[in-house]
Amino acid sequence: KAGVTQTPRYLIKTRGQQVTLSCSPISGHRSVSWYQQTPGQGLQFLFEYFSETQRNKGNFPGRFSGRQFSNSRSEMNVSTLELGDSALYLCASSFNPTGSKNEQYFGPGTRLTVT
Amino acid sequence: DQQVKQNSPSLSVQEGRISILNCDYTNSMFDYFLWYKKYPAEGPTFLISISSIKDKNEDGRFTVFLNKSAKHLSLHIVPSQPGDSAVYFCAASASSSASKIIFGSGTRLSIRP
Repeated sequence: KAGVTQTPRYLIKTRGQQVTLSCSPISGHRSVSWYQQTPGQGLQFLFEYFSETQRNKGNFPGRFSGRQFSNSRSEMNVSTLELGDSALYLCASSFNPTGSKNEQYFGPGTRLTVT
Repeated sequence: DQQVKQNSPSLSVQEGRISILNCDYTNSMFDYFLWYKKYPAEGPTFLISISSIKDKNEDGRFTVFLNKSAKHLSLHIVPSQPGDSAVYFCAASASSSASKIIFGSGTRLSIRP
């Protein structure tokens, strides 16, 4: 079974621009979560989508948004980029049919650098 | 407000000895806990988990202990091997929002020969 894939792997953007990151979950997985990883902060939960609906949300500003398509693929968008948005963005998928405690499987991440 | 805390950013252990990684949490609603391992340039991989109805879960060389009264959990690796050198993340979730998993900041484990 193919793992979680994220594209692009690396991205350099300028302050004020916007960016869209993509995540393809493991086949059959319907839940997709997004995390931001910065040095010293660990992984911070952004949001989770299940069946095209945002089911949970972390404490990030509205500049961070996401969506999920009918094939469970998900995109994350960050508008009006700030220098502090430079981070590794990780996507994770799980089967999670009823919010049960299935472990998540992570992709390799997208390294975003904002200059 | 960090709900899951890993107070040791790094740990160095000799090969063959026991590695003990610690994690504290503040949210009493958390009832499911996980440990993930992360190598550079890769996403975290699931290692082991424990439900709050248990106080211990073992999987090969890895054992997780949960002390609910102290809101503390630990991961024991015995014996430690060179391939265990990685960053370890503790994570927690609550049944009310099981898919919202809160991670700690990680502990970098180095296994020395």
